[in-house]
Amino acid sequence: DTAVSQTPKYLVTQMGNDKSIKCEQNLGHDTMYWYKQDSKKFLKIMFSYNNKELIINETVPNRFSPKSPDKAHLNLHINSLELGDSAVYFCASCNLAGRSSSYNEQFFGPGTRLTVL
Amino acid sequence: QKEVEQNSGPLSVPEGAIASLNCTYSDRGSQSFFWYRQYSGKSPELIMSIYSNGDKEDGRFTAQLNKASQYVSLLIRDSQPSDSATYLCAVMKTSYDKVIFGPGTSLSVIP
Repeated sequence: DTAVSQTPKYLVTQMGNDKSIKCEQNLGHDTMYWYKQDSKKFLKIMFSYNNKELIINETVPNRFSPKSPDKAHLNLHINSLELGDSAVYFCASCNLAGRSSSYNEQFFGPGTRLTVL
Repeated sequence: QKEVEQNSGPLSVPEGAIASLNCTYSDRGSQSFFWYRQYSGKSPELIMSIYSNGDKEDGRFTAQLNKASQYVSLLIRDSQPSDSATYLCAVMKTSYDKVIFGPGTSLSVIP
């Protein structure tokens, strides 16, 4: 019944490893996002896909590569993990195309807490 | 100048009082404005969205928008201890632009 789900919830790994985080939404939304929330709790956009097309690509190291196989899924792969990548990563979704009262309203997944040792 | 600014707090109010949370933004072309609540260790949860100047009420929450002053606020009436959380103001220019979040205001409602 979960609207936006992410796996895994926790991820602990060593520096230099490669890891992936997966996100799925069952809200029928056309747009999905990845956000990073650092230790100071600042929430910052990383990427956004609209109908599987990349529309927002912030200044993020190219070690981070998003992939959207379809409108309901957005994955994030991170190569060569660094200590500074430790954060909570949130997936979110919304409808940009609609004109209902809820358009542009983003719904967040539970987050993935990544710890790089 | 930061794009979205909020008082970091913590803001402490007694139970039953009105909590007032403020937010200013720098891009005059912004069109969509949101308030999210985030409990510690949880994900942001949408409380209100507002797109036009004036007030918008939903239960105990009222969002106020003044585009001329580039100011948006959230009032919480009859504050409850369960309202204790960090409140994030978010601003979007157009639908296909990024949503920019403020640093958040920590609210503590004292029983």
